[in-house]
Amino acid sequence: DGGITQSPKYLFRKEGQNVTLSCEQNLNHDAMYWYRQDPGQGLRLIYYSQIVNDFQKGDIAEGYSVSREKKESFPLTVTSAQKNPTAFYLCASSAATRGYYNEQFFGPGTRLTVL
Amino acid sequence: SQELEQSPQSLIVQEGKNLTINCTSSKTLYGLYWYKQKYGEGLIFLMMLQKGGEEKSHEKITAKLDEKKQQSSLHITASQPSHAGIYLCGADVTNAGKSTFGDGTTLTVKP
Repeated sequence: DGGITQSPKYLFRKEGQNVTLSCEQNLNHDAMYWYRQDPGQGLRLIYYSQIVNDFQKGDIAEGYSVSREKKESFPLTVTSAQKNPTAFYLCASSAATRGYYNEQFFGPGTRLTVL
Repeated sequence: SQELEQSPQSLIVQEGKNLTINCTSSKTLYGLYWYKQKYGEGLIFLMMLQKGGEEKSHEKITAKLDEKKQQSSLHITASQPSHAGIYLCGADVTNAGKSTFGDGTTLTVKP
């Protein structure tokens, strides 16, 4: 079945450590996105990529890094520079890279907790 | 998000009652999406609206986009406990290949 997978579902990190969240899709979508969701808030865009080997900063990119070496993979690294990393992280992909018709398909999410 | 404002922030209704959630933008919306999210899970796509005045329905959920394409509503008829969750609207308001989302409406349906 086509879809998006994220791993792990739960992740615990000690302060000062970098951690990498995995996102894989087999929908053959060009565009991929990372969002952060905090309690009672909507989604905030961290990074997005419209093509392999290229990505752009979203609204809250500080303290995060990404890579897009393969079309199906878009891992997110939460670095020690991120001051408040405890949150729910969602990955998404879409077929459209530009334009108004941009339905996104979401993974199940990773909940990161900093101890 | 200031670009997409949702109201109300939360909603508690008795099972069987109707309800409406609104999503308003300061910019023209050329593609408006409604998603549903269960707590701790990913978003599930519900419907997409493109044209002014467009209306779509799926089971007991109806979504509309006004003629000016700046406001959308999501209406649930005869709510059920299975409708409970967080409803989010999203749109690409800048044609930059990225979506903006509202802050979500948390719906609780009391049996």
